[in-house]
Amino acid sequence: RKEVEQDPGPFNVPEGATVAFNCTYSNSASQSFFWYRQDCRKEPKLLMSVYSSGNEDGRFTAQLNRASQYISLLIRDSKLSDSATYLCVVNKLDDYKLSFGAGTTVTVRA
Amino acid sequence: DAGVTQSPTHLIKTRGQHVTLRCSPISGHKSVSWYQQVLGQGPQFIFQYYEKEERGRGNFPDRFSARQFPNYSSELNVNALLLGDSALYLCASSSGVEGYQPQHFGDGTRLSIL
Repeated sequence: RKEVEQDPGPFNVPEGATVAFNCTYSNSASQSFFWYRQDCRKEPKLLMSVYSSGNEDGRFTAQLNRASQYISLLIRDSKLSDSATYLCVVNKLDDYKLSFGAGTTVTVRA
Repeated sequence: DAGVTQSPTHLIKTRGQHVTLRCSPISGHKSVSWYQQVLGQGPQFIFQYYEKEERGRGNFPDRFSARQFPNYSSELNVNALLLGDSALYLCASSSGVEGYQPQHFGDGTRLSIL
Protein backbone atom coordinates (compact mmCIF):
# COMPACT_ATOMS: atom_id res chain seq x y z
CA ARG A 1 0.00 0.00 0.00
CA LYS A 2 1.30 3.44 -0.89
CA GLU A 3 2.12 5.75 1.98
CA VAL A 4 0.02 8.58 0.53
CA GLU A 5 -2.80 8.03 -1.91
CA GLN A 6 -4.72 10.61 -3.88
CA ASP A 7 -7.53 10.58 -6.40
CA PRO A 8 -5.63 11.52 -9.58
CA GLY A 9 -8.65 13.30 -11.08
CA PRO A 10 -8.76 15.18 -13.28
CA PHE A 11 -11.32 17.49 -11.77
CA ASN A 12 -12.66 19.75 -14.50
CA VAL A 13 -14.61 22.64 -13.02
CA PRO A 14 -15.94 25.97 -14.31
CA GLU A 15 -14.63 29.25 -13.00
CA GLY A 16 -16.28 30.19 -9.75
CA ALA A 17 -17.04 26.62 -8.75
CA THR A 18 -15.99 24.90 -5.55
CA VAL A 19 -13.84 21.80 -5.82
CA ALA A 20 -12.71 19.50 -3.03
CA PHE A 21 -10.57 16.40 -2.90
CA ASN A 22 -8.93 14.16 -0.33
CA CYS A 23 -5.82 12.20 0.26
CA THR A 24 -5.28 9.30 2.65
CA TYR A 25 -2.10 8.35 4.45
CA SER A 26 -1.15 4.99 5.87
CA ASN A 27 1.38 5.84 8.59
CA SER A 28 -0.43 6.73 11.80
CA ALA A 29 2.84 8.24 13.10
CA SER A 30 2.59 11.01 10.52
CA GLN A 31 2.55 14.38 12.22
CA SER A 32 3.11 17.08 9.63
CA PHE A 33 0.88 17.62 6.65
CA PHE A 34 1.12 19.91 3.67
CA TRP A 35 -0.47 20.68 0.36
CA TYR A 36 1.90 21.58 -2.46
CA ARG A 37 0.90 22.86 -5.86
CA GLN A 38 2.77 21.84 -8.99
CA ASP A 39 2.27 23.45 -12.39
CA CYS A 40 3.08 21.48 -15.51
CA ARG A 41 6.80 20.68 -15.68
CA LYS A 42 7.56 23.03 -12.79
CA GLU A 43 8.74 22.50 -9.22
CA PRO A 44 6.29 21.87 -6.33
CA LYS A 45 5.44 24.99 -4.38
CA LEU A 46 4.10 25.00 -0.85
CA LEU A 47 0.43 25.93 -0.85
CA MET A 48 -0.30 25.52 2.83
CA SER A 49 0.48 23.53 5.93
CA VAL A 50 -2.41 21.58 7.41
CA TYR A 51 -3.11 21.92 11.10
CA SER A 52 -5.14 19.64 13.34
CA SER A 53 -7.90 22.17 13.78
CA GLY A 54 -8.14 22.83 10.06
CA ASN A 55 -7.04 26.07 8.49
CA GLU A 56 -7.93 28.47 5.79
CA ASP A 57 -5.84 30.61 3.48
CA GLY A 58 -8.01 32.84 1.34
CA ARG A 59 -10.05 30.62 -0.95
CA PHE A 60 -8.28 27.47 0.21
CA THR A 61 -9.38 25.38 3.20
CA ALA A 62 -7.51 22.35 4.48
CA GLN A 63 -8.86 19.79 6.94
CA LEU A 64 -7.17 16.94 8.76
CA ASN A 65 -8.95 13.87 10.08
CA ARG A 66 -6.47 11.87 12.16
CA ALA A 67 -8.95 9.17 13.10
CA SER A 68 -9.59 8.30 9.48
CA GLN A 69 -6.13 9.35 8.33
CA TYR A 70 -7.15 11.67 5.58
CA ILE A 71 -6.52 15.26 4.57
CA SER A 72 -8.75 17.36 2.39
CA LEU A 73 -8.36 20.50 0.35
CA LEU A 74 -11.25 22.70 -0.73
CA ILE A 75 -10.93 25.49 -3.26
CA ARG A 76 -13.73 28.06 -3.36
CA ASP A 77 -14.49 30.44 -6.22
CA SER A 78 -12.06 28.66 -8.54
CA LYS A 79 -9.87 30.76 -10.82
CA LEU A 80 -8.28 29.77 -14.09
CA SER A 81 -4.93 30.16 -12.33
CA ASP A 82 -5.88 27.40 -9.89
CA SER A 83 -5.37 24.83 -12.67
CA ALA A 84 -2.52 22.67 -11.43
CA THR A 85 -1.66 19.37 -9.79
CA TYR A 86 -2.10 19.39 -6.03
CA LEU A 87 0.29 17.17 -4.09
CA CYS A 88 -0.57 15.85 -0.65
CA VAL A 89 2.52 15.56 1.54
CA VAL A 90 3.03 13.98 4.96
CA ASN A 91 5.92 13.26 7.27
CA LYS A 92 6.73 12.44 10.87
CA LEU A 93 7.74 15.16 13.28
CA ASP A 94 11.32 14.00 13.64
CA ASP A 95 11.67 12.75 10.12
CA TYR A 96 13.50 14.21 7.23
CA LYS A 97 11.62 12.58 4.42
CA LEU A 98 8.56 14.07 2.78
CA SER A 99 6.16 11.45 1.45
CA PHE A 100 4.24 12.67 -1.57
CA GLY A 101 1.06 11.49 -3.14
CA ALA A 102 0.97 11.23 -6.92
CA GLY A 103 -1.16 14.36 -7.12
CA THR A 104 -4.69 15.43 -8.00
CA THR A 105 -5.07 17.36 -11.24
CA VAL A 106 -7.50 20.26 -11.27
CA THR A 107 -8.46 22.08 -14.46
CA VAL A 108 -10.55 25.23 -14.20
CA ARG A 109 -12.27 26.22 -17.44
CA ALA A 110 -13.64 29.60 -18.47
CA ASP B 1 16.50 36.72 -1.63
CA ALA B 2 17.27 33.97 -4.10
CA GLY B 3 15.36 30.74 -3.77
CA VAL B 4 16.80 27.28 -4.22
CA THR B 5 18.87 27.19 -7.39
CA GLN B 6 19.71 24.09 -9.35
CA SER B 7 21.98 23.47 -12.31
CA PRO B 8 21.85 22.48 -15.03
CA THR B 9 18.18 22.92 -15.93
CA HIS B 10 18.25 20.24 -18.60
CA LEU B 11 20.66 17.42 -19.32
CA ILE B 12 20.81 14.65 -21.89
CA LYS B 13 23.00 11.62 -21.24
CA THR B 14 23.35 8.12 -22.60
CA ARG B 15 23.15 4.84 -20.73
CA GLY B 16 26.23 4.01 -18.69
CA GLN B 17 27.36 7.62 -18.28
CA HIS B 18 27.46 9.45 -15.00
CA VAL B 19 25.96 12.80 -14.05
CA THR B 20 26.44 15.44 -11.37
CA LEU B 21 23.59 17.74 -10.41
CA ARG B 22 24.08 20.81 -8.27
CA CYS B 23 21.95 22.67 -5.78
CA SER B 24 22.33 25.86 -3.76
CA PRO B 25 19.89 26.22 -0.87
CA ILE B 26 18.12 29.33 0.28
CA SER B 27 20.50 31.53 2.23
CA GLY B 28 20.53 30.44 5.86
CA HIS B 29 19.11 27.00 5.16
CA LYS B 30 21.36 24.17 6.32
CA SER B 31 19.29 21.21 5.17
CA VAL B 32 19.19 19.99 1.59
CA SER B 33 17.09 17.11 0.30
CA TRP B 34 17.02 15.47 -3.11
CA TYR B 35 13.95 13.98 -4.78
CA GLN B 36 13.32 12.16 -8.04
CA GLN B 37 10.05 12.73 -9.87
CA VAL B 38 9.13 10.57 -12.82
CA LEU B 39 6.26 11.56 -15.07
CA GLY B 40 2.87 11.08 -13.50
CA GLN B 41 4.21 10.41 -10.00
CA GLY B 42 4.92 12.47 -6.93
CA PRO B 43 8.52 13.18 -5.95
CA GLN B 44 10.37 10.29 -4.29
CA PHE B 45 12.92 10.98 -1.55
CA ILE B 46 16.54 10.19 -2.37
CA PHE B 47 18.74 11.87 0.27
CA GLN B 48 18.80 14.46 2.97
CA TYR B 49 21.90 16.28 4.18
CA TYR B 50 22.17 18.52 7.21
CA GLU B 51 25.33 20.24 8.36
CA LYS B 52 27.28 18.26 5.76
CA GLU B 53 26.16 14.90 7.10
CA GLU B 54 23.80 12.44 5.48
CA ARG B 55 20.68 12.28 7.61
CA GLY B 56 18.58 9.99 5.50
CA ARG B 57 18.51 7.91 2.38
CA GLY B 58 15.56 6.69 0.37
CA ASN B 59 15.18 3.42 -1.46
CA PHE B 60 17.62 4.10 -4.27
CA PRO B 61 20.58 1.98 -5.43
CA ASP B 62 24.19 2.74 -4.55
CA ARG B 63 24.63 4.30 -7.98
CA PHE B 64 23.12 7.37 -6.37
CA SER B 65 25.34 9.36 -4.04
CA ALA B 66 25.42 12.90 -2.74
CA ARG B 67 27.38 15.27 -0.60
CA GLN B 68 27.01 18.66 1.03
CA PHE B 69 29.68 21.30 1.12
CA PRO B 70 30.67 23.75 3.90
CA ASN B 71 28.57 26.47 2.24
CA TYR B 72 25.57 24.05 2.40
CA SER B 73 25.35 23.60 -1.36
CA SER B 74 25.00 20.02 -2.50
CA GLU B 75 25.73 17.68 -5.36
CA LEU B 76 23.84 14.58 -6.44
CA ASN B 77 25.83 12.04 -8.42
CA VAL B 78 24.39 9.18 -10.41
CA ASN B 79 26.66 6.56 -11.96
CA ALA B 80 25.99 3.96 -14.65
CA LEU B 81 22.89 5.74 -15.85
CA LEU B 82 19.88 3.67 -16.85
CA LEU B 83 16.92 4.63 -19.01
CA GLY B 84 14.78 4.54 -15.88
CA ASP B 85 16.81 7.36 -14.35
CA SER B 86 15.12 9.78 -16.72
CA ALA B 87 13.23 12.12 -14.43
CA LEU B 88 12.99 15.56 -12.91
CA TYR B 89 15.49 15.81 -10.04
CA LEU B 90 14.41 18.25 -7.38
CA CYS B 91 16.42 19.80 -4.62
CA ALA B 92 14.68 21.21 -1.57
CA SER B 93 16.04 23.20 1.33
CA SER B 94 14.80 23.94 4.82
CA SER B 95 16.27 25.67 7.82
CA GLY B 96 16.33 22.51 9.92
CA VAL B 97 15.42 18.86 9.88
CA GLU B 98 12.24 18.89 11.93
CA GLY B 99 9.28 17.51 10.04
CA TYR B 100 7.06 20.54 10.56
CA GLN B 101 9.44 22.81 8.67
CA PRO B 102 8.31 23.21 5.06
CA GLN B 103 10.77 22.42 2.36
CA HIS B 104 11.24 24.79 -0.55
CA PHE B 105 12.02 23.37 -3.95
CA GLY B 106 14.26 24.52 -6.76
CA ASP B 107 13.19 24.47 -10.40
CA GLY B 108 14.73 21.05 -10.85
CA THR B 109 17.04 19.42 -13.35
CA ARG B 110 15.32 17.51 -16.12
CA LEU B 111 17.50 14.51 -16.95
CA SER B 112 16.91 12.52 -20.10
CA ILE B 113 18.73 9.25 -20.73
CA LEU B 114 19.00 8.05 -24.32
